[in-house]
Amino acid sequence: SAVISQKPSRDICQRGTSLTIQCQVDSQVTMMFWYRQQPGQSLTLIATANQGSEATYESGFVIDKFPISRPNLTFSTLTVSNMSPEDSSIYLCSVEDSGRTEAFFGQGTRLTVV
Amino acid sequence: GNSVTQMEGPVTLSEEAFLTINCTYTATGYPSLFWYVQYPGEGLQLLLKATKADDKGSNKGFEATYRKETTSFHLEKGSVQVSDSAVYFCALRSPGNQFYFGTGTSLTVIP
Repeated sequence: SAVISQKPSRDICQRGTSLTIQCQVDSQVTMMFWYRQQPGQSLTLIATANQGSEATYESGFVIDKFPISRPNLTFSTLTVSNMSPEDSSIYLCSVEDSGRTEAFFGQGTRLTVV
Repeated sequence: GNSVTQMEGPVTLSEEAFLTINCTYTATGYPSLFWYVQYPGEGLQLLLKATKADDKGSNKGFEATYRKETTSFHLEKGSVQVSDSAVYFCALRSPGNQFYFGTGTSLTVIP
C-alpha cells in the first residue's frame, strides 16, 4: 500500500491567514483527493487534485477558498485561505491507484483557527 | 443517491466482549463496501473490504459480510482488546468511484 506523508500534522492559525498543507506519496498514484473531517462528523470530499490541471471541486467548495496544486503524480498541496474559526477541522489527503478499490489516507492535519 | 448510516457511539466495552457496529447503506448500482479505522492522532486505515454481495471481509479478528438483501455491512469482533479503541468508519465506493463515509463510531475498550 502507498505510504502518505502529510505536513503539518497540526497547526493553530490566526483568522484571516492562510495555511498550506502538503501531501507526499512514496509512489506514483493515479488519483489524489482532499477531505475535510469536522469535529464529530464524517469525511467530506473537498476536491480531486488533478495532475497538471485545475482541481475538480465538490459542491460547496471553491478554488478561491481551497486552492489545490498537483505538480506531479506523487505530490499535492491544499491551501486553506482567509481562515475563519469555521475552518477548524482535520484535513486529510487520500490516494487511490488504478486496479485497487480502496483508498489510502495520510495521517491528517488538525487545524485550529483562533 | 448514495449514503452510509452507521450506529452512533460512543461505544464502551469491557475487554474480551463481543463487538457489533451496525452499518447500512443506500446506493445506486453495486458498490464496494469498506470499514476504516482511525486510531487517535492518526489518519484512516483500511480495516477490511468486500466488493460484491455475500463477500466476507476479515482482518485482525474483525469481520463484515456484504448483505445486499438488507443493504448492510455490520462490523463484528468476537473478543475486543484495549488496543481496538478507535473510531470506526463504514464507507461505500459507488460505481462512479466516489467514496461515501458514515459518521464514525467511537469505540473504547476498558480493561
